[in-house]
Amino acid sequence: QSALTQPPSASGSPGQSVTISCTGTSSDVGAYNYVSWYQQHPGKAPKLMIYEVTKRPSGVPDRFSGSKSGNTASLTVSGLQAEDEADYYCSSYAGTNTFALYVFGTGTKVTVL
Amino acid sequence: QLQLQESGPGLVKPSETLSLTCSVSGDSIRSSTHYWGWIRQPPGKGLEWIGTIYYSGSTYYNPSLKNRITISVDTSKNQFSLKLSSVTAADTAIYYCLRCSGWFRETFDSWGQGTLVTVSS
Repeated sequence: QSALTQPPSASGSPGQSVTISCTGTSSDVGAYNYVSWYQQHPGKAPKLMIYEVTKRPSGVPDRFSGSKSGNTASLTVSGLQAEDEADYYCSSYAGTNTFALYVFGTGTKVTVL
Repeated sequence: QLQLQESGPGLVKPSETLSLTCSVSGDSIRSSTHYWGWIRQPPGKGLEWIGTIYYSGSTYYNPSLKNRITISVDTSKNQFSLKLSSVTAADTAIYYCLRCSGWFRETFDSWGQGTLVTVSS
């Protein structure tokens, strides 16, 4: 199972928006509405930011939003802030009737200019 | 507040077995709505799902690692564990334990801080 494809980097100025794509296949992103997004600061554990494509856990600012179209999911960070500078990973369920499998994206480094 | 803490050797020799334990506090590992799992991240690289377990002992393993993985649960200690056999340098990574939720256990909603395991002689 291949990793989901993300752009290596994205950037924006404070207050601007940045959108990160996550491209998979009809066996993972396209098959299920079970895409999650994780934020990881250097030296820290990943943190759940979006689950089930569009849902935000309690405590995650509403500046973070998710969407999906076909085999591509997206994470948008609106009103960029300095603390949003981090690596972001998408993940998707990719299992079948016979086995479970979860695949991650290649990761995107977001820089706040 | 939920906390997960990994523990185990930070250095393992090639061909030996990597063993890690995750201690859970702030939630019962017997939760009917959550599963528990392991994910690893080689230094400077991306994330890889290793496996997931339910308190009953039901397990789900990454097919690419399945022959080398054993994940078990100790409900009396509120802990779960990972064993990875026949390790090589490619298994050097930060290992995270986590809580999983969702219909397919696909949402990794809480993570431990991670522990670096280096495979070297």
